[in-house]
Amino acid sequence: GAVVSQHPSWVICKSGTSVKIECRSLDFQATTMFWYRQFPKQSLMLMATSNEGSKATYEQGVEKDKFLINHASLTLSTLTVTSAHPEDSSFYICSAAPGGYEQYFGPGTRLTVT
Amino acid sequence: DAKTTQPPSMDCAEGRAANLPCNHSTISGNEYVYWYRQIHSQGPQYIIHGLKNNETNEMASLIITEDRKSSTLILPHATLRDTAVYYCIVRASGGGADGLTFGKGTHLIIQP
Repeated sequence: GAVVSQHPSWVICKSGTSVKIECRSLDFQATTMFWYRQFPKQSLMLMATSNEGSKATYEQGVEKDKFLINHASLTLSTLTVTSAHPEDSSFYICSAAPGGYEQYFGPGTRLTVT
Repeated sequence: DAKTTQPPSMDCAEGRAANLPCNHSTISGNEYVYWYRQIHSQGPQYIIHGLKNNETNEMASLIITEDRKSSTLILPHATLRDTAVYYCIVRASGGGADGLTFGKGTHLIIQP
């Protein structure tokens, strides 16, 4: 089946620094990838839609200058959390669709900002 | 996308069938019913989807009522590894291009 990977699986960074999270589709190409965020005991919230070769589309309330998304190829999208603060600590999950109806999710990246 | 309603939690004995209900009374004609699950601290996993006919795959069966206002996900022989939060999502066809809207889901606990 379609496999999506994320790297790193967990990261700890200091407040004010930036951290990059990679999302790769391993055995299919994805024109569109999605980024979600999940706080403890809450459901997933869509942050942005990442389109290969064009600017990402952000959901209302998500700061595009803080969460930089780059979709440089059909198999890679990156999310960079800039000037991270403790309130950005969360579980970040990406997904991709190989052109069908279902989306395949990565295993997630747990970010802790100290 | 239409709104869905699921019970917050359910218990099921290991080896028995787990039946997870979902109400989607405002579903429109071109909207599909999708089911995903999320095991603790992992990314969601696609289970099954359907439009109006019942569907079955290696993981589960999906039963959609004739009026399409509700559906049931059936895990025929639940195991401890099926303990997870199950999300019922309604969305338009060709939905690969759209992000998903997750509700609170049903926390299914399989008891040994």
